[in-house]
Amino acid sequence: LAKTTQPISMDSYEGQEVNITCSHNNIATNDYITWYQQFPSQGPRFIIQGYKTKVTNEVASLFIPADRKSSTLSLPRVSLSDTAVYYCLVGGDTNAGKSTFGDGTTLTVKP
Amino acid sequence: DSGVTQTPKHLITATGQRVTLRCSPRSGDLSVYWYQQSLDQGLQFLIQYYNGEERAKGNILERFSAQQFPDLHSELNLSSLELGDSALYFCASSVERPGAGYQETQYFGPGTRLLVL
Repeated sequence: LAKTTQPISMDSYEGQEVNITCSHNNIATNDYITWYQQFPSQGPRFIIQGYKTKVTNEVASLFIPADRKSSTLSLPRVSLSDTAVYYCLVGGDTNAGKSTFGDGTTLTVKP
Repeated sequence: DSGVTQTPKHLITATGQRVTLRCSPRSGDLSVYWYQQSLDQGLQFLIQYYNGEERAKGNILERFSAQQFPDLHSELNLSSLELGDSALYFCASSVERPGAGYQETQYFGPGTRLLVL
């Protein structure tokens, strides 16, 4: 299974764009990249998923380079309510149950 | 609201005791996952069930066991509890269509906070 590496923490200010990068050097051909958000004492919540290039939804964008060894979650114009832990998850349907969330990135948005 | 329910919300018990945590997945979801999250720790995958069968096993202790019933709800049994078992226990569910190719979204419940004294 692909091991993921993310920064432990990041700080930002309201209104800024935040980019969180996840490294997954041994990603498999069938693996997808999924990002989750977790607020304190709540279960993680799906943000976005992608396989290659760029994916955008109403919440975030996900950039995946051609070699797929890393991915970047981009949060446009963050607000205080975006303060949370962000997890990068790599896996496919054949190993979904063994995908590990890792330690995640704690994003703190300041006023 | 993810559609996944977990009971109880809070549980306080003593060392050496046994408890059962219950999870009801979203309607239509066949797969259930259990995770443990200790204070300021990441999510530790424990075990996954798919349509009643064990599908994958993570760092689950031998003192812990789980099962998924015909109605697809799942129970996580924790026995011989130790202080270090105090944590948030999350259940998640997904449709989990084998052969879909992509990783199905996991929908998490609100968790059960277990405190072992």
